[in-house]
Amino acid sequence: DSGVTQTPKHLITATGQRVTLRCSPRSGDLSVYWYQQSLDQGLQFLIQYYNGEERAKGNILERFSAQQFPDLHSELNLSSLELGDSALYFCASSATSESYNEQFFGPGTRLTVL
Amino acid sequence: AQKVTQAQTEISVVEKEDVTLDCVYETRDTTYYLFWYKQPPSGELVFLIRRNSFDEQNEISGRYSWNFQKSTSSFNFTITASQVVDSAVYFCALSGFSGYALNFGKGTSLLVTP
Repeated sequence: DSGVTQTPKHLITATGQRVTLRCSPRSGDLSVYWYQQSLDQGLQFLIQYYNGEERAKGNILERFSAQQFPDLHSELNLSSLELGDSALYFCASSATSESYNEQFFGPGTRLTVL
Repeated sequence: AQKVTQAQTEISVVEKEDVTLDCVYETRDTTYYLFWYKQPPSGELVFLIRRNSFDEQNEISGRYSWNFQKSTSSFNFTITASQVVDSAVYFCALSGFSGYALNFGKGTSLLVTP
């Protein structure tokens, strides 16, 4: 158990809908990362927050947004969902924002868009 | 730009065989960090090792060993006397000094059969 929690574990929804994925980092970790894992694209970095502020952006679509709250949990919002958004979404946390820190991953949220 | 290549998509071995998973990386950073993660069938990503670009010492942890060679930009992972529980997808990842996120390879799926 990495100490990172993600809810829900599975999510099934329809095209055009909006969903919110939630992540709680390990105790004491200030940095949260979101990754998307799909069969065709592999594991891709979406966005990083550090202590409530956006720190880095990767291949995140404009339809997606995220935030980190004062209690350090984070939410990833996906809107106007398309079939291609079906994927496993991981949250990871690390102690600081530095690149040498290992990132600890949550169990993931499997999103299925029908 | 950073890139990680895991040329072996799938490897199948019989229990007790040794197996090496290849990882080749590209980066312009002089300081960078390399990681290996394991994704068992249950889906979570498990951190295995981190190596920084200034430390070319090989690492051994039980049946696992890692060979880092800057001259060939490789960071290979060897499992000695493989076991069925080693069956998983293994990802090599790279993080640059100036970046924050992990750049993952496509992964190598290892199947160990009895």
